[in-house]
Amino acid sequence: AQRVTQPEKLLSVFKGAPVELKCNYSYSGSPELFWYVQYSRQRLQLLLRHISRESIKGFTADLNKGETSFHLKKPFAQEEDSAMYYCALRTGANNLFFGTGTRLTVIP
Amino acid sequence: DGGITQSPKYLFRKEGQNVTLSCEQNLNHDAMYWYRQDPGQGLRLIYYSQIVNDFQKGDIAEGYSVSREKKESFPLTVTSAQKNPTAFYLCASMASGTRSYNEQFFGPGTRLTVL
Repeated sequence: AQRVTQPEKLLSVFKGAPVELKCNYSYSGSPELFWYVQYSRQRLQLLLRHISRESIKGFTADLNKGETSFHLKKPFAQEEDSAMYYCALRTGANNLFFGTGTRLTVIP
Repeated sequence: DGGITQSPKYLFRKEGQNVTLSCEQNLNHDAMYWYRQDPGQGLRLIYYSQIVNDFQKGDIAEGYSVSREKKESFPLTVTSAQKNPTAFYLCASMASGTRSYNEQFFGPGTRLTVL
């Protein structure tokens, strides 16, 4: 069965500090991983997909199949990064399986 | 903003009553999804539909029912059999086609409170 683990429910960092949101997964198939973000009073939206290997709003995430991880990183956190972040795994049924989320707070 | 709309934004119901949450999309997406969002538990899939007139149970389908008579609409009924219905409900849709670049687009959600 699939599993997505986000070990930190809450994460606080100071503005300008590096931030890393952890995500580990368990899946027997070939994984496709995503990061979704939910800003205050906004809809849940896609931030990153691993297959694109892109940087969005300064965030990057690398799929590490050996460690079964897909950690989200940003070298210098900004106040506007404060939000709820969800790691998600696409399963063979073309559905998304979400982690429990990490609430990031960037302290000015 | 349009795309996916959910109504109502807030919904209250008494115990023992069924209630239907609306989800409409104008994105011409084939697939639609219902999730339940609870604090500390993330999003959990209730039901999904990959095409009109077809739908499948997700991880927590008990106490819920859906229909997909039109491509644009995927209403969710929370029945009296759902033991703990108070939650935030999210609807999503996704285009079919090249899987790897497809993303799910989410509605604004409906907060259901059982009194």
